Amino acid sequence: GESVGLHLPTLSVQEGDNSIINCAYSNSASDYFIWYKQESGKGPQFIIDIRSNMDKRQGQRVTVLLNKTVKHLSLQIAATQPGDSAVYFCAEGPAGSSNTGKLIFGQGTTLQVKP
Amino acid sequence: GAVVSQHPSRVICKSGTSVKIECRSLDFQATTMFWYRQFPKQSLMLMATSNEGSKATYEQGVEKDKFLINHASLTLSTLTVTSAHPEDSSFYICSASRGTAGYGYTFGSGTRLTVV
Repeated sequence: GESVGLHLPTLSVQEGDNSIINCAYSNSASDYFIWYKQESGKGPQFIIDIRSNMDKRQGQRVTVLLNKTVKHLSLQIAATQPGDSAVYFCAEGPAGSSNTGKLIFGQGTTLQVKP
Repeated sequence: GAVVSQHPSRVICKSGTSVKIECRSLDFQATTMFWYRQFPKQSLMLMATSNEGSKATYEQGVEKDKFLINHASLTLSTLTVTSAHPEDSSFYICSASRGTAGYGYTFGSGTRLTVV
């Protein structure tokens, strides 16, 4: 069935280094992708999104890359800080979504930032 | 920005009792609300989708008679866990959408339910 998955369950990086979190999706018709950050005991927090008609989008210290050929999504965090420690999820919106359809979440990657 | 308030943040209840969780969109009208459940160290699993004024659509395997969802207004949706059992202990999270392209999804802060 359709799924969104992540390659690495845990990523440990040194403070100041760049982090790359990966995500694979299986539905080639998916149109909308979102990265969320979730801290312990809290709800997901929006980081950045991208539509399938783009292959790169940048935010503040974050960049999302989309490779539709291999159905791969990545989140790059520049100059990782201790406050970036959290679980990161990619989520996939349905094809043709107008941001109203349900999201399918990946397994999640725990990012640990070492001081 | 869009804010979704979810209450309570934590609740402990006895087995066999019912618990109601509220999800409110504070500064926008939520055409659609989603309810998720999250077990420790796992991802968010969608339970149901509710549209204002209509019956909720439940995901496969989710008991609609156990998890009652009401979306009576454009700013409020409730999830009632009926006859709760210890296996219902989980982190419940709501999400709201305006139903308009470009506005995305806003998540509540979650409710930690512990059934004893």
